[in-house]
Amino acid sequence: GAGVSQSPSNKVTEKGKDVELRCDPISGHTALYWYRQSLGQGLEFLIYFQGNSAPDKSGLPSDRFSAERTGGSVSTLTIQRTQQEDSAVYLCASSPRVAYEQYFGPGTRLTVT
Amino acid sequence: GQNIDQPTEMTATEGAIVQINCTYQTSGFNGLFWYQQHAGEAPTFLSYNVLDGLEEKGRFSSFLSRSKGYSYLLLKELQMKDSASYLCAVRDGGGNKLVFGAGTILRVKS
Repeated sequence: GAGVSQSPSNKVTEKGKDVELRCDPISGHTALYWYRQSLGQGLEFLIYFQGNSAPDKSGLPSDRFSAERTGGSVSTLTIQRTQQEDSAVYLCASSPRVAYEQYFGPGTRLTVT
Repeated sequence: GQNIDQPTEMTATEGAIVQINCTYQTSGFNGLFWYQQHAGEAPTFLSYNVLDGLEEKGRFSSFLSRSKGYSYLLLKELQMKDSASYLCAVRDGGGNKLVFGAGTILRVKS
């Protein structure tokens, strides 16, 4: 079956611009996670959605970052007024239930110039 | 605080056995995961331990000691395709997110 998909695969933007990154989880998966991975670093948790519960936003690095999940499926991560330090690979993952195996998408490589 | 430590890099020979260690200090614990990540690709799930002991799955095994805050991933009969980064991640008992270590880059040489 189809895995987690993300778009765009690559995004180059100018400092100060807003960007939107999209994630389509595996159908039926109730949990959705966003992480970012800077060069040579581990994955940094950003935000987590589970069903209709309030999202866990504890990993968002600043108020420039926000995410939503519509209809319990597709999610969009928005970064406003991008900064160079936002350059990283943004990974989305989904799982059939809380804390079970997470299936990762291919990621979006964001470069802020 | 949360701290997960893994060696940065390891090198091993094709056909050999390698053990990648992971130590953790987290505010809570509710399971430990190992993921494999090839360069430029998404992480893929390898193993999950929540109780002490060894979990074996083909050439890969994972061990957990909760009292020591310690896990290892054991790879047997190494193949060139095993060259990748191996990520240790702990499910923090206080939440539903995974806390990842920085990963161990494994290089398999012929």
